[in-house]
Order: sequence, then C-alpha cells, then structure tokens
Amino acid sequence: KAGVTQTPRYLIKTRGQQVTLSCSPISGHRSVSWYQQTPGQGLQFLFEYFSETQRNKGNFPGRFSGRQFSNSRSEMNVSTLELGDSALYLCASSLAPGVYEQYFGPGTRLTVT
Amino acid sequence: DQQVKQNSPSLSVQEGRISILNCDYTNSMFDYFLWYKKYPAEGPTFLISISSIKDKNEDGRFTVFLNKSAKHLSLHIVPSQPGDSAVYFCAAFNSGGGADGLTFGKGTHLIIQP
Repeated sequence: KAGVTQTPRYLIKTRGQQVTLSCSPISGHRSVSWYQQTPGQGLQFLFEYFSETQRNKGNFPGRFSGRQFSNSRSEMNVSTLELGDSALYLCASSLAPGVYEQYFGPGTRLTVT
Repeated sequence: DQQVKQNSPSLSVQEGRISILNCDYTNSMFDYFLWYKKYPAEGPTFLISISSIKDKNEDGRFTVFLNKSAKHLSLHIVPSQPGDSAVYFCAAFNSGGGADGLTFGKGTHLIIQP
C-alpha cells in the first residue's frame, strides 16, 4: 500500500501571502489529521477531517483552515502568512476517527520570509 | 501546559546496549500511548503502542512499559543498533475526548555510538 503523500515537499512564501498544502491518505483511510511541527512547540494538532467535515480543531487562529474531499484527500490553507508560520506541516491518516494509530506523511516544509 | 513530557532532549547509548526512553503525562484521560521515530526530513514513523489496560507491549527489539499510577511510560530498545539513531516522540490519545488528535512530547534525540 502506498503511504501518505504530501505536496509540495518544500515551499517558500512571503509574509502576507496565502498557501495551500495537499495530502493524500493511505488507501482506505478516511480520517485525515494535520499537525504543525516547530522547534519551540514540537508537534501540535491543527485539525482532523472525516467525511468531508472538520471534527476538531487545535488551538490555532482562524487563518488556518482545511477541507476534505469525497475521496478523503485533504488540503490545508494558511492565509495572511506570518513569519511564525514557518514550520513542517505534517498530515496523518487513520482508518476512522477514534482510531489512535495514525500514519504520517513526509511533511511540507514551509518557510515564510 | 504540556500534557506529555519527555524530559531528556537527548540520549547517547553504545551500540548493542539497551536504550531506555522515558515519557510522563499529566492527563489521566489518555488511554492509548504511542511511540514514533523520526528521521530528519521525514514524517514520524509509528513504532509501537500500548493501551492503558496493559502494562507492557513487546514487538521485536522494542518494548513499551506503562505505569499508570505514576503516569509514566518508557520505551526499551534492545539491542540498540546504529539505525536506531533518530528522534523519538511519545504521543498520547484520549479515545473518548472528541478526538483532539495525538498529544506529543517534544522528543528525545537518541544517538547510538558505535
């Protein structure tokens, strides 16, 4: 089975711009979660999607949003980028919500200048 | 407030010896615990998990121990191999908590010395 894929792998944006990141889960996995990894805060939960609906959201501002499509693929969007948004954004998939085993993609490294 | 803590940012162990990575948690509602391994420029890779109804789970060279009364878990790697050098994250999950995702510790960088 192919693993979780994320595109693009690297991205450089300017402060104030917006960005969209994409994630394709493992085939058969219907739940997709997003995490932000920074050196200071570690790995932090952003949000989880299942059946095209956001089920939960972590403690992040409204500039961070996402969506899920009918084929379970997911995108996350960050608007009005700030320097502090520079991070590794990781997508994880699991069979369904409440299934604790999550499988991660390689991440998208976002640099905001 | 950090609910999952890995107090050792790094750990150096000789090849062939036992590596012991520790993790403490504060939220008694966590009922599943996982260990992930991460290499630079890659996503975390799931290693092993344990349910709160167990106190030990073994998978090959990896064993996780859970002490619920102390809110402490540990990952034992025996014997340690050079390929084990990576950052190890402890994560916790509350299956009844509305699925706030996994709560991660900040990681321990394990270095296996030849």
